[in-house]
Amino acid sequence: DQQVKQNSPSLSVQEGRISILNCDYTNSMFDYFLWYKKYPAEGPTFLISISSIKDKNEDGRFTVFLNKSAKHLSLHIVPSQPGDSAVYFCAANTEYGNKLVFGAGTILRVKS
Amino acid sequence: KAGVTQTPRYLIKTRGQQVTLSCSPISGHRSVSWYQQTPGQGLQFLFEYFSETQRNKGNFPGRFSGRQFSNSRSEMNVSTLELGDSALYLCASTPSRSTEAFFGQGTRLTVV
Repeated sequence: DQQVKQNSPSLSVQEGRISILNCDYTNSMFDYFLWYKKYPAEGPTFLISISSIKDKNEDGRFTVFLNKSAKHLSLHIVPSQPGDSAVYFCAANTEYGNKLVFGAGTILRVKS
Repeated sequence: KAGVTQTPRYLIKTRGQQVTLSCSPISGHRSVSWYQQTPGQGLQFLFEYFSETQRNKGNFPGRFSGRQFSNSRSEMNVSTLELGDSALYLCASTPSRSTEAFFGQGTRLTVV
């Protein structure tokens, strides 16, 4: 039962352009969403999060958009840089405790 | 501030043995969660401890157990190891009144 889905296994983007990573969820009890970046054999690095009471959160080059009615969120990276190349995970949480449900991840390749 | 520290970084064990992994959270963080990452199943939640009590549990067999000490450090134990337990085990700590989990580098367990 995949409650969090990242349907694009990979994405390739030119340096300087926008990267858009998508995530869908099925559990309406989720009220907090997070994006993580991960390199092989390392732990995920927290990027940005959004509460379900908001529809947008911005932090530097990273913006997360949440569409609750569609149960969809996206991460925009502008401008994309070669150092952004990594696996990006979408994760969701309910209000109680810290039990993150992760998507399968999207490999982002930024070409210079 | 020091990050989440996991020891050891790498382990090789034989089927049937048991293993203990250790995690030191970020100072002041009382919540510690454990995750398993495998190529087939992705990142999956094992359990969460808060103030020495298990607060959340994932869908793993009873061979997987954990505990948390009064200084918030946590250990997880896997008994009767199986080949399928080979994975990257990640520990994350979360500050109070937040759901933003910060991950350690992980312990790579190989069962032969």
